[in-house]
Amino acid sequence: DAKTTQPNSMESNEEEPVHLPCNHSTISGTDYIHWYRQLPSQGPEYVIHGLTSNVNNRMASLAIAEDRKSSTLILHRATLRDAAVYYCILRGPYNQGGKLIFGQGTELSVKP
Amino acid sequence: DGGITQSPKYLFRKEGQNVTLSCEQNLNHDAMYWYRQDPGQGLRLIYYSQIVNDFQKGDIAEGYSVSREKKESFPLTVTSAQKNPTAFYLCASKIGGANYGYTFGSGTRLTVV
Repeated sequence: DAKTTQPNSMESNEEEPVHLPCNHSTISGTDYIHWYRQLPSQGPEYVIHGLTSNVNNRMASLAIAEDRKSSTLILHRATLRDAAVYYCILRGPYNQGGKLIFGQGTELSVKP
Repeated sequence: DGGITQSPKYLFRKEGQNVTLSCEQNLNHDAMYWYRQDPGQGLRLIYYSQIVNDFQKGDIAEGYSVSREKKESFPLTVTSAQKNPTAFYLCASKIGGANYGYTFGSGTRLTVV
């Protein structure tokens, strides 16, 4: 299974942009890159996902490197509610049910 | 509003007892998943089901069992054979096809007393 590597923790100031990096050097050509975030004692919340092209939605942007070996989740203006553990996940092969392969995640703290 | 409902939120079990965790979704999603999360760790896949009456083992299926008799429901039974069942259990679902995200429930925290 392809794995992802993220920093254990990051800090940001409120209303500033945040760039959360993720390395996935063993990604296969059919793996989608998913990002989820999780608050304590809650289920993960979907943030964004992509395959090759950069993606934008109301929550965030996803920048994918041309070789797909790394990606960056961009929160354009961090708020206190964005403090969470962010998981960069590769969506596995469909013959394994398309399972999500979770790593340790990055704990993001946001300072007022 | 559509979503996934997990119940109960907290569950206490005596050693040697089987317990069943409920997961219900009204999203009309085809695939459903059970994950386990231990403190400070990521999620690990227990079982998954891509269609009614069919399911497959995930990475840590030993000591667990599931059923998928209805599209909306995917209950997980933690049996007495699971040696370390205390954990946070999360259910997820997804519509068929590669280009969709997953929806997670709010979880059940199981504690063995």
